[in-house]
Amino acid sequence: EDKVVQSPLSLVVHEGDTVTLNCSYEVTNFRSLLWYKQEKKAPTFLFMLTSSGIEKKSGRLSSILDKKELFSILNITATQTGDSAIYLCAVEGGGSARQLTFGSGTQLTVLP
Amino acid sequence: EAQVTQNPRYLITVTGKKLTVTCSQNMNHEYMSWYRQDPGLGLRQIYYSMNVEVTDKGDVPEGYKVSRKEKRNFPLILESPSPNQTSLYFCASSLLTGSSYFGPGTRLTVL
Repeated sequence: EDKVVQSPLSLVVHEGDTVTLNCSYEVTNFRSLLWYKQEKKAPTFLFMLTSSGIEKKSGRLSSILDKKELFSILNITATQTGDSAIYLCAVEGGGSARQLTFGSGTQLTVLP
Repeated sequence: EAQVTQNPRYLITVTGKKLTVTCSQNMNHEYMSWYRQDPGLGLRQIYYSMNVEVTDKGDVPEGYKVSRKEKRNFPLILESPSPNQTSLYFCASSLLTGSSYFGPGTRLTVL
């Protein structure tokens, strides 16, 4: 059975801190790993990673994939209160294309 | 504007009363799927569809039905809802590769 585990489950930091969110997976026929941000509504796409060792970057957010060790990290530098959200990791794999398995998410709270 | 729409956004119903949650996308995406989100369990896939008339079960399909008669629409049907189907439901669409676009969610309560 495909599995995606995120850690920590919850994180509280102050503005300006740097955070690292973790995602490990066990998936057959791995195709890609995706990160989403979910505020009080639908998840919004952040990154899609398919190759090991290539960092994806968008502003203060960055992510990297290690296909050998089966994990990914999402870094957020100089956090702001607007970064408060649930961050979801999903892995595309399994028998059918586009079958996504999600982790349970990391709840990030950034205090002023 | 490219979007995925769901209706209704909120629904309170009683056990056993059939309901349908509609989902529509305007991006000509082949792939559509339904998820439910419950505290501590993350998003779990209910059903997905690779194209018109092609649907398949996800991780938690029991108690749900779907249909894909047109490319843009992918309704979720609960023939006989039960309280354990109280959840937040998301529809999503995508091309066969790349990121998924999520609808705004439907919060369903079954009494």
